Amino acid sequence: SSELTQDPAVSVALGQTVRITCQGDSLRSYYASWYQQKPGQAPVLVIYGKNNRPSGIPDRFSGSSSGNTASLTITGAQAEDEADYYCNSRDSSGNLVVFGGGTKLTVL
Amino acid sequence: EVQLVESGGGLVQPGGSLRLSCAASGFTFSSYEMNWVRQAPGKGLEWVSYISSSGSTIYYADSVKGRFTISRDNAKNSLYLQMNSLRAEDTAVYYCARTLEMATITDFDYWGQGTLVTVSS
Repeated sequence: SSELTQDPAVSVALGQTVRITCQGDSLRSYYASWYQQKPGQAPVLVIYGKNNRPSGIPDRFSGSSSGNTASLTITGAQAEDEADYYCNSRDSSGNLVVFGGGTKLTVL
Repeated sequence: EVQLVESGGGLVQPGGSLRLSCAASGFTFSSYEMNWVRQAPGKGLEWVSYISSSGSTIYYADSVKGRFTISRDNAKNSLYLQMNSLRAEDTAVYYCARTLEMATITDFDYWGQGTLVTVSS
């Protein structure tokens, strides 16, 4: 299996842009997906594939990838974006799923 | 409306067994791949297991392989997780999650609210 590494915590001023990153060898071969989780709630898929948003996800959320790093960008962060964010992807075998450790986003 | 409702969680002693269920509604269950994902208290998400729409393909995380068994009953719109030889480190909220159609196995578009499993003596 492989590992995905995320910064434990990131902060952003209200209305500014923030990038949350996810690093791992498997990201050279597979896209990352991104999930938002608020306290006491189930995770919500916000980005999948190259840069796809499920229905209902605001377009301020976008995804990108370069080398072994995937990024989730929030352009114009809102107070309601304060949450934990997790990336996931396939492991090196391609059959298993791995999650990053999560990033706690604080909107100041 | 898509709904996933987990049940079967509770307190169990180390070495014991538990069977989780996930009742699906609002979509054609037999057409979708499904997963179990868990989250230990105060910790991050951990993928546990995957099952294809027909049940013919199954994968497990190394941490549960040989102890947990995923299954589904498409006639009953239900997903299951049989957990044996439970350990303290299996304590977590267990979520069932649907794989997004026409996407990869890592794209979980709907999640249940979870059921808490506590392994303790």
